[in-house]
Amino acid sequence: GQQLNQSPQSMFIQEGEDVSMNCTSSSIFNTWLWYKQDPGEGPVLLIALYKAGELTSNGRLTAQFGITRKDSFLNISASIPSDVGIYFCAGQKMDSSYKLIFGSGTRLLVRP
Amino acid sequence: EAGVAQSPRYKIIEKRQSVAFWCNPISGHATLYWYQQILGQGPKLLIQFQNNGVVDDSQLPKDRFSAERLKGVDSTLKIQPAKLEDSAVYLCASSLEVSLHYEQYFGPGTRLTVT
Repeated sequence: GQQLNQSPQSMFIQEGEDVSMNCTSSSIFNTWLWYKQDPGEGPVLLIALYKAGELTSNGRLTAQFGITRKDSFLNISASIPSDVGIYFCAGQKMDSSYKLIFGSGTRLLVRP
Repeated sequence: EAGVAQSPRYKIIEKRQSVAFWCNPISGHATLYWYQQILGQGPKLLIQFQNNGVVDDSQLPKDRFSAERLKGVDSTLKIQPAKLEDSAVYLCASSLEVSLHYEQYFGPGTRLTVT
């Protein structure tokens, strides 16, 4: 079935460091979404990307929609302890169902 | 604005028992989704409703899972009978079309443990 390859699987970084994670797919998507999930909670939407090449920021977070429409990355600058959680990318298919396909997540741990 | 509401938050049942989950989407959101999230994985879509009609239920195990969205607002997801492998978090999400793009907003989920 449809798959998104998200990497890295996990990261353990020092507070203040920058973080980068990405998702790739063999299929084209018309939307990329990035979510963060805290333990015991549902995913929270961080950034939505709608156009190939689009670069969007939300505070210390920056995400880009790849030119090929098959990939996206998320950067977090100057990480802080509350950035800890699991980050998911999700691609939206170019058909009438607007189905979201999720990556397997990147677990981020921040060392104070 | 109130978010997506789900209940219960936690449920423990024995295999072969039945269970039901409830979801109330964000007001005005026409599209509602049920996802299954197994530990260590991303959410997997089970069923999608547009108002009270089913858009996609291709990954719903229909021999044991059922869902309905009467009146196009609240929705229930039922499992009957439950199996051990159904242990997961069941997430409900809703969306409002924004220029043909559907940003999905999730509820807190129901954590189901089948023993």
